[in-house]
Amino acid sequence: DTGVSQNPRHKITKRGQNVTFRCDPISEHNRLYWYRQTLGQGPEFLTYFQNEAQLEKSRLLSDRFSAERPKGSFSTLEIQRTEQGDSAMYLCASSLREIYGYTFGSGTRLTVV
Amino acid sequence: GQNIDQPTEMTATEGAIVQINCTYQTSGFNGLFWYQQHAGEAPTFLSYNVLDGLEEKGRFSSFLSRSKGYSYLLLKELQMKDSASYLCAVRWTDSWGKFQFGAGTQVVVTP
Repeated sequence: DTGVSQNPRHKITKRGQNVTFRCDPISEHNRLYWYRQTLGQGPEFLTYFQNEAQLEKSRLLSDRFSAERPKGSFSTLEIQRTEQGDSAMYLCASSLREIYGYTFGSGTRLTVV
Repeated sequence: GQNIDQPTEMTATEGAIVQINCTYQTSGFNGLFWYQQHAGEAPTFLSYNVLDGLEEKGRFSSFLSRSKGYSYLLLKELQMKDSASYLCAVRWTDSWGKFQFGAGTQVVVTP
């Protein structure tokens, strides 16, 4: 069990560019979550998958954001036409049952310049 | 979303005890989690409470009172490595999938 893996660890992009992040959850975990965290704040929910189905999406997520989990394994989060306000740590987490809490990945730090 | 309140920062000395409080609105409550997050790292799961009472796990304990909308995380025999942010997260009944996190309490352990 290698834990939750996220790539890349860091991404610097120019405003207006598109970026895509990848998350590989713990293999037996059927639930996958994306969160965003800015400095001094707790993680903020973005979206949630159970297997390949996207069950919930935050109203905070504009149409520039899209997430997929095509075969119920890894997931991608794409941000189109990035803005400076998108600069944050993007965290992926997975779980089998909520009673065990989430296992978070190390995150992808996005900086939009 | 509903407010989740916790103190911004607490300072304590090595070997001491610190209690981090978390308050939330009781309507729709469906479970509370505590996470530890060291600077620049991912949050790690500490505890889960859904029923009233105290859950003890080594040096860390977590307490819940559902009627009061109140939880605390108790850190005993503080060590320097306990310096971190401690996040309170609540699951609401209208969503099984997501947790709502507080802003975190930064605990600073001094020698």
